[in-house]
Amino acid sequence: VQLVESGGDLVQPGGSLRLSCAASGFTFSSYAMHWVRQAPGKGLEYVSAISSNGVTTYYANSVKGRFTISRDNSKNTLYLQMGSLRVEDMAVYYCARDTKQQWLPTFAFDIWGQGTMVTVSS
Amino acid sequence: EIVLTQSPATLSLSPGERATLSCRASQSISTSLAWYQQKPGQAPRLLIYDASNRATGIPARFSGSGSGTDFTLTISSLEPEDFAVYYCQQRSNWSPFGGGTKVEIK
Repeated sequence: VQLVESGGDLVQPGGSLRLSCAASGFTFSSYAMHWVRQAPGKGLEYVSAISSNGVTTYYANSVKGRFTISRDNSKNTLYLQMGSLRVEDMAVYYCARDTKQQWLPTFAFDIWGQGTMVTVSS
Repeated sequence: EIVLTQSPATLSLSPGERATLSCRASQSISTSLAWYQQKPGQAPRLLIYDASNRATGIPARFSGSGSGTDFTLTISSLEPEDFAVYYCQQRSNWSPFGGGTKVEIK
């Protein structure tokens, strides 16, 4: 069971970036998925969730309207499209699997990727 | 919006000692609480879900308790690999995390 994030990069304020999370070792389409971030030296912050079928999404207020979560179950991949990036979005972004094999998320995370770093700076 | 407050911020203990970590919610969250462990440079690891259920593969020295607004994570006898930062998290659409408790070697 593994999650591997990619796509992190240096981007200017106001820019865009798309993160990917490739899943393997489990039935990806059966689990809700999440993004959680951690600014350098800081604690964990919840970002977004998506139901197993991709229909229902959730966002933290801090990213609502700027970030879009999506998934491609045929490719076992989770995405986070990030727009209008701010300095305060700079963080390691983790994708995480929900604990329960069901449609809607339970908002507990049992499998985490290693994270991908997003740097927002001019 | 529910706020989770963890205490203490830092806990200095020796291997073999008992660790007691606290997480307080600003309003009742029933038992919708999880605990995670994070070591430097690593992703968090789920320890406890629904306040008192150990996740798969978590040693029995880790236990969780509480309901409503007050929760506790107890490590009965610290092993060298247990020195890390611990976070509590409410299971909800907002999924707030506490600020963390660092358990360091005394």
